[in-house]
Amino acid sequence: EPEVTQTPSHQVTQMGQEVILRCVPISNHLYFYWYRQILGQKVEFLVSFYNNEISEKSEIFDDQFSVERPDGSNFTLKIRSTKLEDSAMYFCASRRANEKLFFGSGTQLSVL
Amino acid sequence: QQQVKQSPQSLIVQKGGISIINCAYENTAFDYFPWYQQFPGKGPALLIAIRPDVSEKKEGRFTISFNKSAKQFSLHIMDSQPGDSATYFCAARKGSGGSNYKLTFGKGTLLTVNP
Repeated sequence: EPEVTQTPSHQVTQMGQEVILRCVPISNHLYFYWYRQILGQKVEFLVSFYNNEISEKSEIFDDQFSVERPDGSNFTLKIRSTKLEDSAMYFCASRRANEKLFFGSGTQLSVL
Repeated sequence: QQQVKQSPQSLIVQKGGISIINCAYENTAFDYFPWYQQFPGKGPALLIAIRPDVSEKKEGRFTISFNKSAKQFSLHIMDSQPGDSATYFCAARKGSGGSNYKLTFGKGTLLTVNP
């Protein structure tokens, strides 16, 4: 089965630093998403992206967050100035129209 | 009103037994209810999903029961196997999807099936 690929699997950063989490969605998918899961808590929606623009974002996705599809294959999540509370597992997901959502294995972000 | 409440938090079942996980929601605009299975180190994977126009959906050993009036739905795993040991999340989504696929997740249930 095709997979959504996320790199790195673990990222450690200092508070205030910028991080970029990278995702390669499944090749013929058109809709892209970021979710996150703080340890011990539920998976939360961050943002959806289609046709090179954000289609919906949650209240978590503030000005510190941005997403980009810089080329035909990558989809990135940038956090400009990380906070301790940004520590979480970040999941990228993608899908085709009217089909199921595929999640990547996640990037564990630790902000020290 | 956006919450999805899931119980139990953890569940231990003997091999061959039935695992039952329950979820409740408040927002009547939700119209798609998937269950996800997550193994350690992996992302959630869609297991089975239901829309509120049916009361039950079965796929192999996995069944969703849906009670629209009570705003509850549950996952039943028949003949539970050690390989079913994972975290299970219920979720809900409103709208037809389109570019938006904002899932609201429950907190998850850690299922352990003992051999």
